[in-house]
Formats: sequence, structure tokens, C-alpha cells
Amino acid sequence: AQRVTQPEKLLSVFKGAPVELKCNYSYSGSPELFWYVQYSRQRLQLLLRHISRESIKGFTADLNKGETSFHLKKPFAQEEDSAMYYCALRTQAGTALIFGKGTTLSVSS
Amino acid sequence: KAGVTQTPRYLIKTRGQQVTLSCSPISGHRSVSWYQQTPGQGLQFLFEYFSETQRNKGNFPGRFSGRQFSNSRSEMNVSTLELGDSALYLCASEVRGPNTEAFFGQGTRLTVV
Repeated sequence: AQRVTQPEKLLSVFKGAPVELKCNYSYSGSPELFWYVQYSRQRLQLLLRHISRESIKGFTADLNKGETSFHLKKPFAQEEDSAMYYCALRTQAGTALIFGKGTTLSVSS
Repeated sequence: KAGVTQTPRYLIKTRGQQVTLSCSPISGHRSVSWYQQTPGQGLQFLFEYFSETQRNKGNFPGRFSGRQFSNSRSEMNVSTLELGDSALYLCASEVRGPNTEAFFGQGTRLTVV
């Protein structure tokens, strides 16, 4: 069965430090991968997807099919990055999103 | 463009009762999906509706059901509520197809007492 694993429930860093939120998936085909973010008291929203290969708010994520990973990275964390981050997988168009259990990122000054 | 709207925002129900949650998708979006969010399990897929037909279903008991109307609005029903059904229920809408984005509502917080 397809699965998304986010090994860290909580990641605490200082402002200006690099951030890496880990995401591993299990799926034998070619997945669509996403990072969603949920700021305090706000709705879940798409941060980025692997297919667009863009940087959003300084975050990037590279799909590594060999390691079945899609880690989210940012070189210098900001306090406003504090939020819950979910990695999600879709096996093909029109199917459900499969989410990891999420990682809370806490950035302090 | 208005976002995904879920009503009500909060609900308190007693065990054994039933509840209906509503979701109005973004205009033009014909796919509506429902997810249950809990601290222990995270986000779990319930079902998806497209053009008034259930297209996908997650691994939830038959007490969880839904429907979609011709205007794409969707309702989710939970019968014989259990304490474990307490959760945030999220609805997402999208234009079904490749490379599309799911837009989420703010959710309905259901508490079963």
C-alpha cells in the first residue's frame, strides 16, 4: 500500500538556521508529491509540488526516486515559517492525496 | 474568488447521534474530497465525489457517507457517532485532472461527548 512517512513530529530550530523536513514514500510507480503547510488558525494550503520544481517562500524540495524521498529544505529559517508541514502523495490524477502525519516546525529567535 | 466553505465550523454531538457536515467548493470545481484530521492519525482520506458520483473511498466504516449535489456542493454524514469520531473534518475541492491543486476549507470541528 502507498504510504508517506514523516519521521519527525517536531523540529525546533533557531532563526537563520537551515531546515530540512524529511519525507519518505512507498510507491512503486511515478508519484505526484506535494508539501502542504498549515499555519496557526489558517487552512491547509499547498506549499509546493515536485512537478513544478519551484521555490516558494525560500523552500525547495527535490524528488529522489532512488531513495523514495521528497525532503523539504530552506537554507535560513524565519520565525514566520513556524507551522505544521504535511507531505502528501498522489499516485495518479484523480486519486486521493495520501498524507504523512505531519511535522511541526518551530522557529525561535 | 471565494474559497472552500465548510459549515458549521464547530459541532458538539452526543454518542449515538448522527451529524451532517456541508462543503461548498470553489466555483468551477467539480471534485470534492473529505478528510478526517486527528492528532494521532493525521489526515486520512474519507471519500471523493465528482459529478455527483463517489469516485474514491477511504478505509472508513459505512457509518461515514456522503453525497454531492448538481451544484457540486457536498455533504458528509456520520451516523451512530462514537467518541473516536471527534476530529477536524476537512473538505477539499479541485478541478479534477493532472497537475491540479486541492484547495482546502477551514474544516468542521466535531466533538462527540
